[in-house]
Amino acid sequence: EPEVTQTPSHQVTQMGQEVILRCVPISNHLYFYWYRQILGQKVEFLVSFYNNEISEKSEIFDDQFSVERPDGSNFTLKIRSTKLEDSAMYFCASIPTATGAFFGQGTRLTVV
Amino acid sequence: GENVEQHPSTLSVQEGDSAVIKCTYSDSASNYFPWYKQELGKGPQLIIDIRSNVGEKKDQRIAVTLNKTAKHFSLHITETQPEDSAVYFCAASKGGGATNKLIFGTGTLLAVQP
Repeated sequence: EPEVTQTPSHQVTQMGQEVILRCVPISNHLYFYWYRQILGQKVEFLVSFYNNEISEKSEIFDDQFSVERPDGSNFTLKIRSTKLEDSAMYFCASIPTATGAFFGQGTRLTVV
Repeated sequence: GENVEQHPSTLSVQEGDSAVIKCTYSDSASNYFPWYKQELGKGPQLIIDIRSNVGEKKDQRIAVTLNKTAKHFSLHITETQPEDSAVYFCAASKGGGATNKLIFGTGTLLAVQP
């Protein structure tokens, strides 16, 4: 069964450093999302991406965040200068046109 | 703003019993309601969904009901098994169904006791 793949599974970084989280969505899907889940809290929407551009972003997704689909397969989330409060599980999701979102297994980001 | 409330936060049942998890949503424009199961260390997995033009949907031991007037929807799991133990999240979206952002509930930790 096709699946969304995320790397790395765990990333530890120092405050102020840049991180790039990577995702390989399911190949025939058209819509891509990043969500995050702070420990013990609900899953929160960050950004949606369609047709090589951001279609919607949340208040969380400020200037420190960016997304790219550089080569037509990978979908990346970059945090330019990490803060302690960026520590969370980050989930990538992809969607075909008509069914529910398929989530990756997540990247646990720990900012120290 | 958009909000989804979910209850209970934890639920413990005996194997073979039924489990019911309830959610309410605030945005009347919401029209797509998926349920996700999240096992430890894994991402959310879609288990069932319902659209606003349907009142009930069933898939083997899992069913979802939707009351648009009251703006609430529920997940029903019958004949629970230990492997049903996980965190369950409800979610809602609007404007075209699956392609819009999901607003998640706070999750329910379901423990099925053998």
